[in-house]
Amino acid sequence: GAGVSQSPRYKVAKRGQDVALRCDPISGHVSLFWYQQALGQGPEFLTYFQNEAQLDKSGLPSDRFFAERPEGSVSTLKIQRTQQEDSAVYLCASSPRRRGLAGGKDTQYFGPGTRLTVL
Amino acid sequence: QQQVKQSPQSLIVQKGGISIINCAYENTAFDYFPWYQQFPGKGPALLIAIRPDVSEKKEGRFTISFNKSAKQFSLHIMDSQPGDSATYFCAATANTSGSARQLTFGSGTQLTVLP
Repeated sequence: GAGVSQSPRYKVAKRGQDVALRCDPISGHVSLFWYQQALGQGPEFLTYFQNEAQLDKSGLPSDRFFAERPEGSVSTLKIQRTQQEDSAVYLCASSPRRRGLAGGKDTQYFGPGTRLTVL
Repeated sequence: QQQVKQSPQSLIVQKGGISIINCAYENTAFDYFPWYQQFPGKGPALLIAIRPDVSEKKEGRFTISFNKSAKQFSLHIMDSQPGDSATYFCAATANTSGSARQLTFGSGTQLTVLP
């Protein structure tokens, strides 16, 4: 079946512009995560959804970052008034499991990411 | 705060050799330790994972060794192949009540296997 897809794959924005990044998770997956991956670094957690509920947004770096998943499937990460330090690859991951369940696999399936460059 | 430290940053191995990547963690609440493989332009993909109740897990050419007392774990790739050339990330996650089970990643190791 289809994996996690993200669009656009590449986005160039001028400093101060707003951007919206889309994630289509694997169908039926309950959990959805957003990560930010700076060049040469590991991904860092941004936010987490369980279905349509945003249960953890502790990793969002500022109030310019906003994420939503209104119908519990597709998610959008929006960045307002982009800054050069926002340049990174934004990864979306989905998982079939609810948070906190013990045992079994906690596998997160990642999309290819959106590379954002802010000029 | 870097909760998972990974080394080396880059590694070059001859075909058929053994690749070894090391990670150390600080948070004793971590209870699941996956390794991810990432090719250029792709998202990370789960390679192998271990829980701290075992000291070793092997899947094909890939083995995780886990030392709970030292809070260290490592990935061994036996008979390394040019197709293994990628960036490898160790990660950890904790089952913390009230929060997401997000992954905490190391900084990555760029592996190059020479033909």
